[in-house]
Formats: sequence, structure tokens, C-alpha cells
Amino acid sequence: RKEVEQDPGPFNVPEGATVAFNCTYSNSASQSFFWYRQDCRKEPKLLMSVYSSGNEDGRFTAQLNRASQYISLLIRDSKLSDSATYLCVVNRNTGNQFYFGTGTSLTVIP
Amino acid sequence: DAGITQSPRHKVTETGTPVTLRCHQTENHRYMYWYRQDPGHGLRLIHYSYGVKDTDKGEVSDGYSVSRSKTEDFLLTLESATSSQTSVYFCAIAGGIGGNTIYFGEGSWLTVV
Repeated sequence: RKEVEQDPGPFNVPEGATVAFNCTYSNSASQSFFWYRQDCRKEPKLLMSVYSSGNEDGRFTAQLNRASQYISLLIRDSKLSDSATYLCVVNRNTGNQFYFGTGTSLTVIP
Repeated sequence: DAGITQSPRHKVTETGTPVTLRCHQTENHRYMYWYRQDPGHGLRLIHYSYGVKDTDKGEVSDGYSVSRSKTEDFLLTLESATSSQTSVYFCAIAGGIGGNTIYFGEGSWLTVV
């Protein structure tokens, strides 16, 4: 079983739509959780960290459910510029090992 | 900007030739990583380093070696390049509060013909 699993999509949504991505992780010892955004032919860039209490950054909301071992990302009022691949990343701080989902592709359509 | 520079950014090489990719960081981070990213596989760890001369293998280390003689530089060498090593290679560092956030360089696109 993979450490981190994501639905690869693709998700094609109209502008203004709300879209949600989920990601599950297999190791309960995981301690830190993140969402990254990756544009075509670019490096992954940190979008936001994910906390148990949930956190929001503008149109983006991230949630962590430790009991069910999943993290989620909600994007409200989608913009064309949100089109990208979204990666969930989990860190087991011991030995500083990072585990990556394969990414979920989002295309926002005019 | 995590102060990570990769070189070369693009390279075309012939099968059987050695290739070295360089990762340079300016912020004295302890942990550095080399990943490759391929369609359908996502990011896969090749090697990582937890200090000068301290390195360890990742899940796809065969055919690759690394060296870290200075904190700021982490070199990835393909001893004898093969077509299966055509990929984009990302260097990364562990930074942020507690060093638990990963930041990537811009990538090195390698084509082996």
C-alpha cells in the first residue's frame, strides 16, 4: 500500500465552482501535512500546511482528519489560474522523510 | 525562495556517458534530497543527505550516486546514463519551522538519447 494516495483526476470544473480534493495516508506516525501546487514543467510549491484544527487561506481551506487518516483541500470560487496539479505531502518527522501523493490534476474551464 | 539552484537546467546526453547534476543551497539546511518525477509515478526519492558526507539511499537509487562534501552542495551522478534515466530531477531541502517543510529547486530536465 502506498504511503500517500490521491485521486489523480483529472478534475475539470467551470470558473466559480467549488472543488475538493482528498488524500489518504497510511502511517499513523505521520506528523506534518501539506498541500503543494505544481504547474506544468515547474517545481512543486508549497500551497499551505494542514493542521488538525483546519486552516484557511483566502479561497483555500485545508482539513486534517487524523482518526481517518486523510487530508482535504477545498477550493472555492475557482479561477482559471488555479489550473495545476495539487500534491499532498506527508512528513514523518523522524529522519525527515517526506511522502508524496501522485497529484490531482485540476483544469478550470472558462 | 528557498535559495536552491540546480545546474544544468537542461541537458541532452548519450547513453553510457556520465552525468552530474548539481544542487546548491544558500541557507545552510542540513537535509537535502534528490527526486525524479515521471508521469504515473510522481516524485520518487533517489538519495538524500543529512549532513556533510552523510547520505542514504532512497527508493530508486540504482544507477545513481551522490556526494556532499560541503553543506551547500549536493551532487547527483549518473555513472553511465541510460534511456530509463530520462526524467526531470528535483533537488529539495527541508526547511521552515522545525525543518519539516520541503522546498524544491526549479528542476533539471535530462534527456538520454
